Amino acid sequence: RKEVEQDPGPFNVPEGATVAFNCTYSNSASQSFFWYRQDCRKEPKLLMSVYSSGNEDGRFTAQLNRASQYISLLIRDSKLSDSATYLCVVRNQAGTALIFGKGTTLSVSS
Amino acid sequence: DAGVTQSPTHLIKTRGQQVTLRCSPKSGHDTVSWYQQALGQGPQFIFQYYEEEERQRGNFPDRFSGHQYPNYSSELNVNALLLGDSALYLCASSTVSDDWGGETQYFGPGTRLLVL
Repeated sequence: RKEVEQDPGPFNVPEGATVAFNCTYSNSASQSFFWYRQDCRKEPKLLMSVYSSGNEDGRFTAQLNRASQYISLLIRDSKLSDSATYLCVVRNQAGTALIFGKGTTLSVSS
Repeated sequence: DAGVTQSPTHLIKTRGQQVTLRCSPKSGHDTVSWYQQALGQGPQFIFQYYEEEERQRGNFPDRFSGHQYPNYSSELNVNALLLGDSALYLCASSTVSDDWGGETQYFGPGTRLLVL
């Protein structure tokens, strides 16, 4: 089983749509969770950290379910500029390495 | 304030050759991590350097080695290149935050390596 697994995608949605990405992780001792965004041929950039209580940043909402080892990202009112690959990321138990999922590609069209 | 910088941006090598990639961390950061991202995959952790020592290593062979200098910049060396080493090599820098005690890794633009 892979350490971090994400929806295979791609997701193709119209502008204004709501889209949800799901992710599961295998190590129950993991402590830190993130969503990174990666544009084509660019480096990953931190979108948001994910906390147990859930957190929101504008149109983006991230949630964590430790019991199910499940992380989600919800994007409301999608914009063309949201088109990118979204990477689910877990920090390893030692607190050093980031463990990435394969990524889910989102394409928002007008 | 310059972010993480990497050089070169692109590189073409042939099988069996050796390559050195360079990374300068974001100002104020003392920790450098290296990742390999193959096409269509997420980045994979190679190793992390802190205080000029390799602090942790991922599942990569000894052909992959690194170094960190006193100014915190870092190098990734790959010997005996294989076709499968073709990938985007990303450097990330970080430091422990005084505010919340954790680290956020910031990535450089990467070096795209093609092995023929």
